[in-house]
Amino acid sequence: AAGVIQSPRHLIKEKRETATLKCYPIPRHDTVYWYQQGPGQDPQFLISFYEKMQSDKGSIPDRFSAQQFSDYHSELNMSSLELGDSALYFCASSSWTSGGPYEQYFGPGTRLTVT
Amino acid sequence: AQSVSQHNHHVILSEAASLELGCNYSYGGTVNLFWYVQYPGQHLQLLLKYFSGDPLVKGIKGFEAEFIKSKFSFNLRKPSVQWSDTAEYFCAFFPNTGNQFYFGTGTSLTVIP
Repeated sequence: AAGVIQSPRHLIKEKRETATLKCYPIPRHDTVYWYQQGPGQDPQFLISFYEKMQSDKGSIPDRFSAQQFSDYHSELNMSSLELGDSALYFCASSSWTSGGPYEQYFGPGTRLTVT
Repeated sequence: AQSVSQHNHHVILSEAASLELGCNYSYGGTVNLFWYVQYPGQHLQLLLKYFSGDPLVKGIKGFEAEFIKSKFSFNLRKPSVQWSDTAEYFCAFFPNTGNQFYFGTGTSLTVIP
């Protein structure tokens, strides 16, 4: 079965650079969620999109932005990167017509290292 | 404020030992409860979930969890662990009226062959 795809899997950036992470949800899933998991920490919800509109916002810094495109893939744009942004960023997808927000399927994550 | 507390940060067991991981949540309303597992280098996978009904739920790979409403707890259990159970385990809840998951800090389980 198709799963959530994220690219790139690993990314190394320097401070003050920008980064773009991509998430491709499971086919026919209409909702995408972004999470940040720092080293040894629990996943923190950043932002979610439903049908290309932002549906909820968590602890996403103002330096970050995200959007969902017409093909339902989503991109997380991160600017002015800081050392503290080093983390595993993973997205999840779900379908409101099948399972709703409780049935989230998680991607493998993008490991971002800021040096 | 909503939160999830997992009591054990690191657990080391020998194969065939029994496992119980504690989880307590803080939320005043109705919640949906989950346990996720994250194997080394892999993504989060759902172990089991509780929405309503029988408070004892069974999940994959022999795991089960019991929801005790009066204690705001959802402890994970397995009668006999295997080396392949070595992973990070996250307890989480999703409020009925909310839009996001709240995760605990995770418990790292190491099973020694």
